[in-house]
Amino acid sequence: DAGVIQSPRHEVTEMGQEVTLRCKPISGHDYLFWYRQTMMRGLELLIYFNNNVPIDDSGMPEDRFSAKMPNASFSTLKIQPSEPRDSAVYFCASSLFFLVDRPYEQYFGPGTRLTVT
Amino acid sequence: AQSVAQPEDQVNVAEGNPLTVKCTYSVSGNPYLFWYVQYPNRGLQFLLKYITGDNLVKGSYGFEAEFNKSQTSFHLKKPSALVSDSALYFCAVTGNTGKLIFGQGTTLQVKP
Repeated sequence: DAGVIQSPRHEVTEMGQEVTLRCKPISGHDYLFWYRQTMMRGLELLIYFNNNVPIDDSGMPEDRFSAKMPNASFSTLKIQPSEPRDSAVYFCASSLFFLVDRPYEQYFGPGTRLTVT
Repeated sequence: AQSVAQPEDQVNVAEGNPLTVKCTYSVSGNPYLFWYVQYPNRGLQFLLKYITGDNLVKGSYGFEAEFNKSQTSFHLKKPSALVSDSALYFCAVTGNTGKLIFGQGTTLQVKP
């Protein structure tokens, strides 16, 4: 398996532009997570999906951020309009189904390094 | 509320010496604990997890972790450190929500 695939690996954009990050989870995984990593705030969970349905988006910082999962093999995280403070590394992760007494580990993609100037 | 604390920003150890990276947690109900490692410019990689059973959990690359319920700790250990173990290590906990709560991370520096 190729693992979790993210694109692009690097994105440089100007403030005010729309940014779309893409993720392909591991085939067969039921959960998909979007994280943001910065030096100041560490690793933050933004949103996660179960069977393509958003379960918890309480970590999405503002309405400028939106995420979709149209099917089991694809998800997007969109920022519109982008701001310099959105500069971070964005990770996608996926895992098998979660049971109360048998949580499965998450597998992370390589990340997208976003720079907003 | 669930939380994880990694009290050390950085741990320095000489190659060949044992290493310990500390983690304490707070969670209501049974804790499910994980360790991940992040190498530069890479995503996080799963090392090991504790669900139930034996308090000593063995994982990838010779790492192990000891679950201590009374001290609410889950310290990561390795008997003999390698220079290639130098990386950023994250402890994480989940209760019954499916969400992982990560610690701030500890940088491990192994010097030859």
